[in-house]
Parts: sequence; structure tokens; C-alpha cells
Amino acid sequence: AQKVTQAQTEISVVEKEDVTLDCVYETRDTTYYLFWYKQPPSGELVFLIRRNSFDEQNEISGRYSWNFQKSTSSFNFTITASQVVDSAVYFCALSEAGRGGNQFYFGTGTSLTVIP
Amino acid sequence: DTEVTQTPKHLVMGMTNKKSLKCEQHMGHRAMYWYKQKAKKPPELMFVYSYEKLSINESVPSRFSPECPNSSLLNLHLHALQPEDSALYLCASSLGQGANTGELFFGEGSRLTVL
Repeated sequence: AQKVTQAQTEISVVEKEDVTLDCVYETRDTTYYLFWYKQPPSGELVFLIRRNSFDEQNEISGRYSWNFQKSTSSFNFTITASQVVDSAVYFCALSEAGRGGNQFYFGTGTSLTVIP
Repeated sequence: DTEVTQTPKHLVMGMTNKKSLKCEQHMGHRAMYWYKQKAKKPPELMFVYSYEKLSINESVPSRFSPECPNSSLLNLHLHALQPEDSALYLCASSLGQGANTGELFFGEGSRLTVL
């Protein structure tokens, strides 16, 4: 079974629109970590955020915000006032401390295109 | 700028060649990883070294041989590859293991083409 599901394969928005990328995860561990990574066309995966299972506080960093809800096993990512530089593939990932922590499960990614 | 350095950035090799990919980090991380990524797919884990010992091998064919000479260096030796092995090979590092794993820091990748 897929541990991390990103149902949106591709999204296109016009610049300055807000966009939310969905991530649903599955785990039986009580201690786990959730991540978002950005992969621009250049190829490097850039770390955006890590959230542990005991911290459900939402986080905002500039135009980026993340909504973590354990009740729905979701960790969604919102970009406010999108810009062309936000065009990239975004991956959500999960690691489980009970399994050693080094096994990262990636979702299939959401390709975001911001149209100028 | 990435703190995980991978060389070479591009590599073209024939099926009978032997080559190596190299990765270096100086963040004091004790876990290092090799991932393979095909176009439009997520990274696929190949190997993990934790405290310089191979801790995860995801049933990777023996034509890929990892090596961790010390906690800062990670190599991937390539021999007798197939055209379907052409991909972006990503090195990553993280702080440690278990609850201290932390996040992955990725290099820019080595784009491999097998002819």
C-alpha cells in the first residue's frame, strides 16, 4: 500500500493565485516525521519543511504554509500569491522512527506550473 | 548552495565500462543515501549507510556497488550497466537514525546515460 499519496499529478495556476498541494499519509507508528521537498527543473531536491507527529501546529514561512491534521492523516501545503519561480515538482515524504527512521517514503509528486 | 557535493554532474558510459559516482558532505551527518530517480518519478531508495555501515540495501542489482570510506564520503561503483539504468542518481545525507534522523539534504545529482 502506498504510504504517501499525492493525488494531484499536475496543477496549473496563474501567477498570484493561491494553490494547495495535498498529501495524505498512512502509518501505524506513533512517532513519525513528514516532509515537503521542492524539485525545480534543475533537478536538486530542496528541503522545505519537517514536521513531527507530536506537533500539529500549522506553520507559515513567507508565502508558504503547511496544515498538518492527524485526524485526517493529511499534511497539505499552500503557496499564497504564487510566482513563476514556484514552478517545480513537489514531493511529500514520510519517515517512521520505529523503522529506524532512514526509510523515507516519497509520494509520487505534484507538478506545479505557474503561468505568468 | 547545496552542502552535499556530487561528481560528476553528467556521465555517459557504455555497458562494459566501469565508473564511479562520488558524494561528499561536511555537515557531520552520520547517514548517507543513494537514490535513483527516473523522469517524472519520485526518488527510489537504493542504499543507506548509517555510521559508515550499510544498513539498507533495497535489493539493488550487484552491478551497483556502494562504498562508504568514511563518514563524509559515499561512492557508487558502476559496472556492466544496462541502458535502463540511465537515470538521475541522487546522494543525500541526514543527521543520524531513528528519532534523530532529521531531514534529507540532497546533492544536485549525477545524470547517468548508459549507451
